[in-house]
Amino acid sequence: AQSVTQLGSHVSVSEGALVLLRCNYSSSVPPYLFWYVQYPNQGLQLLLKYTSAATLVKGINGFEAEFKKSETSFHLTKPSAHMSDAAEYFCAVSFEDDMRFGAGTRLTVKP
Amino acid sequence: EAQVTQNPRYLITVTGKKLTVTCSQNMNHEYMSWYRQDPGLGLRQIYYSMNVEVTDKGDVPEGYKVSRKEKRNFPLILESPSPNQTSLYFCASSGRDRTYEQYFGPGTRLTVT
Repeated sequence: AQSVTQLGSHVSVSEGALVLLRCNYSSSVPPYLFWYVQYPNQGLQLLLKYTSAATLVKGINGFEAEFKKSETSFHLTKPSAHMSDAAEYFCAVSFEDDMRFGAGTRLTVKP
Repeated sequence: EAQVTQNPRYLITVTGKKLTVTCSQNMNHEYMSWYRQDPGLGLRQIYYSMNVEVTDKGDVPEGYKVSRKEKRNFPLILESPSPNQTSLYFCASSGRDRTYEQYFGPGTRLTVT
């Protein structure tokens, strides 16, 4: 069965530190990959998406993600964390005619 | 403003009392879906609809019903809610299909006692 794995249900970083949220999937080449962010008491909003153009994708709020086919990964990074980045982040992967979400990673930013 | 709206945002009910959560989108999207979000499980799809009068089961459809009589509306119906349906529910829509970018509503937090 197709699956999406987010390593680490909770990640804590200090303000100004690098943010790295990991996402791996089980497929040869999925057509589309997404990262969504969920702020408290809100719905999910799209952070960025990969649609088989450039492998390094830039999103909103300074986030970016790199598609690595050989590692079946789509990790999310941000060079310098801000307090406002505290939220839950979901990786989503399209598999042919379906989309699967990871379990989510809650990011905490310490002052 | 392009958006997906859901009502109510919060609902506490008792076992067996029928309820409906409404969902509406103003983007003329053909595809709409319902998800439930539970800690550690991420989002799981309940039902989806590719167009008016076309609905299909997702991963966890048991205990739920949907209808798609109009393009903009996609209500979620719980005929006889049970405590295991206590969850956070999201409606979403897409301008293409279930494999592409989805726009989410703000969520409905349901508690069944």
